[in-house]
Amino acid sequence: EAGVAQSPRYKIIEKRQSVAFWCNPISGHATLYWYQQILGQGPKLLIQFQNNGVVDDSQLPKDRFSAERLKGVDSTLKIQPAKLEDSAVYLCASSLVGQSPRQGQYFGPGTRLTVT
Amino acid sequence: QQPVQSPQAVILREGEDAVINCSSSKALYSVHWYRQKHGEAPVFLMILLKGGEQKGHEKISASFNEKKQQSSLYLTASQLSYSGTYFCGTERAGGTSYGKLTFGQGTILTVHP
Repeated sequence: EAGVAQSPRYKIIEKRQSVAFWCNPISGHATLYWYQQILGQGPKLLIQFQNNGVVDDSQLPKDRFSAERLKGVDSTLKIQPAKLEDSAVYLCASSLVGQSPRQGQYFGPGTRLTVT
Repeated sequence: QQPVQSPQAVILREGEDAVINCSSSKALYSVHWYRQKHGEAPVFLMILLKGGEQKGHEKISASFNEKKQQSSLYLTASQLSYSGTYFCGTERAGGTSYGKLTFGQGTILTVHP
């Protein structure tokens, strides 16, 4: 079974520029998550999708971050404009949650973003 | 609110045991445990649901005390491959977001030969 795919793996941009990350979840996983992980900290949830609907985006800085999941499969996370504090690893995860029993979340390799 | 993990770091020799704790101030529905190696993605270890169950995976097991809102991860006869940062992720009971996890700050485990 193929895992969660993400691209690009690394990205370096200047502040005020824009950037987009792509995620393809495990086949059949209805729930998709985007996390931000700053060095030395645990992942922080940015947004959670169930199929193509948003379940939770309470921690997404909506003035600069946006995300979409078209057709309930692939997802894109965008930052515009980027700030220095956005430097982090952006992780995508997927799960079968929504079904019983509860399932774990499976993470992709992440995109390491450096904002200079 | 972020769960609190303890200890922050632990150093072991191969074959020694360790316990990592995760505490929450909120009522929990489930606790997840993940291991992350440097530069890699977190890897799912196990999930515990309210009801106080205990689970095992080879020499790694965990328990969930629903009354205390506390989970513990037990690593027995540690191996070099156990090195990494361990995170607990907690799902609040009665939460509006089904499956939404809040992660702790992590516990760095280092196993030496």
